Amino acid sequence: AQTVTQSQPEMSVQEAETVTLSCTYDTSENNYYLFWYKQPPSRQMILVIRQEAYKQQNATENRFSVNFQKAAKSFSLKISDSQLGDTAMYFCAFMKVNNAGNMLTFGGGTRLMVKP
Amino acid sequence: GAVVSQHPSWVICKSGTSVKIECRSLDFQATTMFWYRQFPKQSLMLMATSNEGSKATYEQGVEKDKFLINHASLTLSTLTVTSAHPEDSSFYICSANTLLRVLTVNEQFFGPGTRLTVL
Repeated sequence: AQTVTQSQPEMSVQEAETVTLSCTYDTSENNYYLFWYKQPPSRQMILVIRQEAYKQQNATENRFSVNFQKAAKSFSLKISDSQLGDTAMYFCAFMKVNNAGNMLTFGGGTRLMVKP
Repeated sequence: GAVVSQHPSWVICKSGTSVKIECRSLDFQATTMFWYRQFPKQSLMLMATSNEGSKATYEQGVEKDKFLINHASLTLSTLTVTSAHPEDSSFYICSANTLLRVLTVNEQFFGPGTRLTVL
């Protein structure tokens, strides 16, 4: 079974600054996907970024980028130029690739507060 | 897009009654749907996985007779909370996955959630 750990229950950052959210996971799989989801107060889950384990290049989506360290089983999210709208819960998630429907395992979440 | 809807968005019911929550994929065929429960300030916990036309697979600790899941079509799954009690009060979220769209085969699309309050 896979486990995902987010060691920072809460974080805060000043608007326009950079913040990094940590995530580690444990798996014996070699082929998998990793995701960061954002859950704002509306509680709608929003995909922020995803990383295929077989790709060495770190994924980037505008102000969001990841530092994927496969050997260390680490997958941190960096948010640059933080905006007030980035205030939300952030969940790291692991997906094992199979043909029977791809299940997600979530970390415990990090509550991010962006301060003006 | 890949839009998933849930209905109702919130429901209040009396203890002992049953509540049905619908999850629909609006613009794609969902080969697999997932049901999650999220308690306040906690993460999403997977309750069950359902594939169209077959019985749902429940996670350990989830009572299959209490949380009835039906996935009768490629666009609709329902979760029925039977004989609901106050401890069943939670936020229920569904998501859908499709193996029929190559570009998003490894992605889940989430519904907006349903807040259930049992009095």
